[in-house]
Amino acid sequence: DARVTQTPRHKVTEMGQEVTMRCQPILGHNTVFWYRQTMMQGLELLAYFRNRAPLDDSGMPKDRFSAEMPDATLATLKIQPSEPRDSAVYFCASAKGTLAGDEQYFGPGTRLTVT
Amino acid sequence: QKEVEQDPGPLSVPEGAIVSLNCTYSNSAFQYFMWYRQYSRKGPELLMYTYSSGNKEDGRFTAQVDKSSKYISLFIRDSQPSDSATYLCAMSATGSGGSNYKLTFGKGTLLTVNP
Repeated sequence: DARVTQTPRHKVTEMGQEVTMRCQPILGHNTVFWYRQTMMQGLELLAYFRNRAPLDDSGMPKDRFSAEMPDATLATLKIQPSEPRDSAVYFCASAKGTLAGDEQYFGPGTRLTVT
Repeated sequence: QKEVEQDPGPLSVPEGAIVSLNCTYSNSAFQYFMWYRQYSRKGPELLMYTYSSGNKEDGRFTAQVDKSSKYISLFIRDSQPSDSATYLCAMSATGSGGSNYKLTFGKGTLLTVNP
């Protein structure tokens, strides 16, 4: 069945290194979200796209994070340079419709550890 | 005050118990209310969705929304060990523009159902 895929599933890196996380949304879904989940803050929206155009990235630290959708089948989230406080699980989600109540389908997440 | 408050638990109940999970919120613009279930080391998945006030029932699960009190609940009847997971409430507003796609999540309540 159709699902959101994310790579890598786990990433351990040293402070200062660049990290790139990738997401393949469900085919036909035109809204893509990036979330970060930590014990302290819970699930936070970082950015989202509709039809590949960024709609809102206000949840993202602009100086080090960037999100793009090079094409309809790929979304990327980059952190440069990474810091220990970026350690979290990063989820990508996609939705088919354009309504506020449309179901978001989450990927399995990328577990990032920055040492 | 955070927009969405949810008791993180943990909540431990015996199999067959009725479970009540709750969230309060402060943003009166929220119109869409959801409950997501997240198993350990997995992405959240939509469990229940309600628009505006009222009740919705799906099998052993009942979602309630009381907009006058800014309070939502999820009830699980005849709880099963397979219900053991973290339950996240989520909400979004309606309106024009891109911001209405945003989901604001509670931090989640960890539920364990003991056989």
